[in-house]
Amino acid sequence: EAGVVQSPRYKIIEKKQPVAFWCNPISGHNTLYWYRQNLGQGPELLIRYENEEAVDDSQLPKDRFSAERLKGVDSTLKIQPAELGDSAVYLCASSFTPGQGGYTFGSGTRLTVV
Amino acid sequence: AQSVTQLDSQVPVFEEAPVELRCNYSSSVSVYLFWYVQYPNQGLQLLLKYLSGSTLVKGINGFEAEFNKSQTSFHLRKPSVHISDTAEYFCAVKGGKLIFGQGTELSVKP
Repeated sequence: EAGVVQSPRYKIIEKKQPVAFWCNPISGHNTLYWYRQNLGQGPELLIRYENEEAVDDSQLPKDRFSAERLKGVDSTLKIQPAELGDSAVYLCASSFTPGQGGYTFGSGTRLTVV
Repeated sequence: AQSVTQLDSQVPVFEEAPVELRCNYSSSVSVYLFWYVQYPNQGLQLLLKYLSGSTLVKGINGFEAEFNKSQTSFHLRKPSVHISDTAEYFCAVKGGKLIFGQGTELSVKP
C-alpha cells in the first residue's frame, strides 16, 4: 500500500504568486482532508471531502484558497495569490469513513512564501 | 465544540526513563481520542486511539494511554524511552472534526 502521496514535498515562491499542492489518497478511501500546520502548532482542518463533495470547508479562506476533487480520488489545493502568512506545511489525509478511527496522513508539502 | 489542551510544550527526558505526555480535552458529546507522532519533516503517524471499551489503550512503539472520563484526560505514557522517540506528539479529539492539540516536543537525551 503506497499510503497518502503528496507533491511537491517543498515549495518556495514569492508572495502574490500562485501555488498548487496535489494529494493522492489511499485507494478506496472516500474521505479526504486538507490540513494546514503552522510552525510549532497542531494541524488545522481546511477542508473535508466525501468523494467529490466538499462537506466541510468552513475553515478554508475562500478569497484565496480553492480545492477540488473532481473524480473523488486525488485532490488539488490551490492558493492564489500567496501571502507571507501562508508559509506552513500543508497536510493531506484520508480515511474510509468519517465516523471512526484515525486518518492516514501524507508527508506534507512545506510551503515557504518569500 | 471540542478542544484539546496539551499541558506541556516541551518534555526533556533521559534515555530509558519513563515519560508521560499530558492531554486534556473538552467536549459536549462523546468523542474518540488519538495520539499521533510526527518525526522531523514527516507527516503524522497514528500511535494509538481510544474509541470505546477498555480505558487503557496500547499502541505502537511501546506507548500506551489511559482514557479518564471524569478528568477528561488522555495522557500518553511510555515506561522507558529511546533516543528514537524524539519527536513531536499530538493529542487529538474527534466528535465531528478531528481537532489537534498544540503538540508536545519530546526530547530524549543520552
